[in-house]
Amino acid sequence: DAGVIQSPRHEVTEMGQEVTLRCKPISGHDYLFWYRQTMMRGLELLIYFNNNVPIDDSGMPEDRFSAKMPNASFSTLKIQPSEPRDSAVYFCASSSGTISYNEQFFGPGTRLTVL
Amino acid sequence: GENVEQHPSTLSVQEGDSAVIKCTYSDSASNYFPWYKQELGKRPQLIIDIRSNVGEKKDQRIAVTLNKTAKHFSLHITETQPEDSAVYFCAASKGTYKYIFGTGTRLKVLA
Repeated sequence: DAGVIQSPRHEVTEMGQEVTLRCKPISGHDYLFWYRQTMMRGLELLIYFNNNVPIDDSGMPEDRFSAKMPNASFSTLKIQPSEPRDSAVYFCASSSGTISYNEQFFGPGTRLTVL
Repeated sequence: GENVEQHPSTLSVQEGDSAVIKCTYSDSASNYFPWYKQELGKRPQLIIDIRSNVGEKKDQRIAVTLNKTAKHFSLHITETQPEDSAVYFCAASKGTYKYIFGTGTRLKVLA
C-alpha cells in the first residue's frame, strides 16, 4: 500500500482565497483524522471520521473550516476564506481498529502558506 | 478537559547517553499511549506504544514505562545516536481512536 496520500504537498495562496486540501486514507482503514501543526500550538486534532461519518469536530477552529468524507477513500478539508493565521502544516491520518489497533498512520502533510 | 503534558520541551544529550521524556495525562480512562517521532520536514511515525494493562515495553534501544496510578508515562532512549535527533510526541487515547497529543520534545543528540 502507498500509505496515506495528501495533496497538494505545498499550497501558497492569498488571504481571502478558498483552499482545499485532499486526503486518501490507507485502504481498509475506517478512521480518518485531520490535524494542524504549528510551532505555537503543536499537533491539534481538527476533526475525525469513522466510516465516513464525522464523529468529533470540536477542534475545528471556526466556521471558515469544513471537512467532508464522501466515501471511504477520499476526504477534503476546506478553508474559506483563508487567513494568514491559517498558515500551518495540515496532516491527514488514518487507522483501523481491526487491522492495527489504534495506530494512526500519517500522510506527508500539506504545507499551507496564506499571504 | 483532556490534557497531556510533556517535558522537557527541548533536550540535548551527548551521543551514547540516555534520554528520558516524560508525559502526564489527565483522563484516568485513557488506556493506550503511543509515542511518535517526527524528523524535520517529515510526518510523525509511531515508534513504540503501550497499553494500560502493561507497565513497561521495550524495543531494542527504546522503552516506555507507564504508571497508571500517577498517570505518568515515559520514553527512554538508551545509547543515543545522531539519527535519534527529532521531535518526539507522546499521546493518550481512551479507545475512541482519538489521540490527545503532548506538546512535543525536541531531542538533539550531540556527536
